[in-house]
Amino acid sequence: AQSVTQLGSHVSVSEGALVLLRCNYSSSVPPYLFWYVQYPNQGLQLLLKYTTGATLVKGINGFEAEFKKSETSFHLTKPSAHMSDAAEYFCAVSDHNSGNEKLTFGTGTRLTIIP
Amino acid sequence: DAGVIQSPRHEVTEMGQEVTLRCKPISGHDYLFWYRQTMMRGLELLIYFNNNVPIDDSGMPEDRFSAKMPNASFSTLKIQPSEPRDSAVYFCASSPSTNGAFFGQGTRLTVV
Repeated sequence: AQSVTQLGSHVSVSEGALVLLRCNYSSSVPPYLFWYVQYPNQGLQLLLKYTTGATLVKGINGFEAEFKKSETSFHLTKPSAHMSDAAEYFCAVSDHNSGNEKLTFGTGTRLTIIP
Repeated sequence: DAGVIQSPRHEVTEMGQEVTLRCKPISGHDYLFWYRQTMMRGLELLIYFNNNVPIDDSGMPEDRFSAKMPNASFSTLKIQPSEPRDSAVYFCASSPSTNGAFFGQGTRLTVV
């Protein structure tokens, strides 16, 4: 079974500082990996995804993530945090190789931006 | 496209009552997912459909829960009878395949 682990349920960074949200996955084969963002009282919005090809993927709002097979990681970064980045972030995995399209989500990381 | 549309946005019902949540997926998407979100358990997949056919319902908590997709543009999640522990936010999502799912705004269900 696929799974993801998000280290740190809460992360606080200062405005303008680097954002780093950690995600590690468990899979016997390279999975498809996703990051979603959820603002209060909203649904989840897709930030970026890795399927195949280039391991550094860029998403919306200046976020990017790098797939590292050797580390089984897919950490999310942004060079300079904005106040509007405050939200909850979810890493997710799908085992497309088995024909299973369902997404398995991590427990989420709440990002707080300090003015 | 208006995105995934869920109704109602909020539902408050008494224990024992039937609750029906509705979802209109994005046109052309072959997959439809129902998720439940709670503080304690996070995001849980309840069931998903491919081309209107249920593929995996292993996440449906018990027989009180049922889901249908009578056509490509409509799905329902029904809880009968409802219990206080069913209180959660229920999300519907749709996907064209491997591109990642697009989520609706959710239905916040409160069972008192």
